[in-house]
Amino acid sequence: AQSVTQLDSQVPVFEEAPVELRCNYSSSVSVYLFWYVQYPNQGLQLLLKYLSGSTLVKGINGFEAEFNKSQTSFHLRKPSVHISDTAEYFCAVSSSNTGKLIFGQGTTLQVKP
Amino acid sequence: NAGVTQTPKFQVLKTGQSMTLQCAQDMNHEYMSWYRQDPGMGLRLIHYSVGAGITDQGEVPNGYNVSRSTTEDFPLRLLSAAPSQTSVYFCASSRSDEQFFGPGTRLTVL
Repeated sequence: AQSVTQLDSQVPVFEEAPVELRCNYSSSVSVYLFWYVQYPNQGLQLLLKYLSGSTLVKGINGFEAEFNKSQTSFHLRKPSVHISDTAEYFCAVSSSNTGKLIFGQGTTLQVKP
Repeated sequence: NAGVTQTPKFQVLKTGQSMTLQCAQDMNHEYMSWYRQDPGMGLRLIHYSVGAGITDQGEVPNGYNVSRSTTEDFPLRLLSAAPSQTSVYFCASSRSDEQFFGPGTRLTVL
């Protein structure tokens, strides 16, 4: 069975500061990893994904994530956040291309002026 | 392309009532899924389908039924609504490596 743990439920940060949202997963097989963002009262939008290859993945809006197989982690980072980055962020894992995603509990990023 | 569409956007039911949440996609994706989102619990998979005529259970299937008669449509049925089914429901469709989500249906069961 697979599982995803997002280590922080809320992350407050000041505008223009760097941020890291942490995600750990467990799986007995190879995985695909995803980060989604959900703005208030909206659906989910894909930020970035890791399928194979380079462990450093770049996504939209200046976000990037690094796949670390030995630590089973896929942390999301941004060097300088904006007020508009305030949203909920979800880490998710899939073991195949079936569209069957397992999500973490979510991390609320609150960017303060 | 409309992408993934869901209807209705909002719904209020009384305990014991039945209803169907509609989901349609126009991207010719084989895979479709239903999730529910509850505060502090992320999204949990209810049912999914890997093609027309093929469905399977996810993490929280109890109280929900699905069928997939066409590639485009994947309705979710609540046979006898319960307050525990109050949630936001998302439908998604996917190609091989990315899921596309609908805008969601906010359901309240009184």
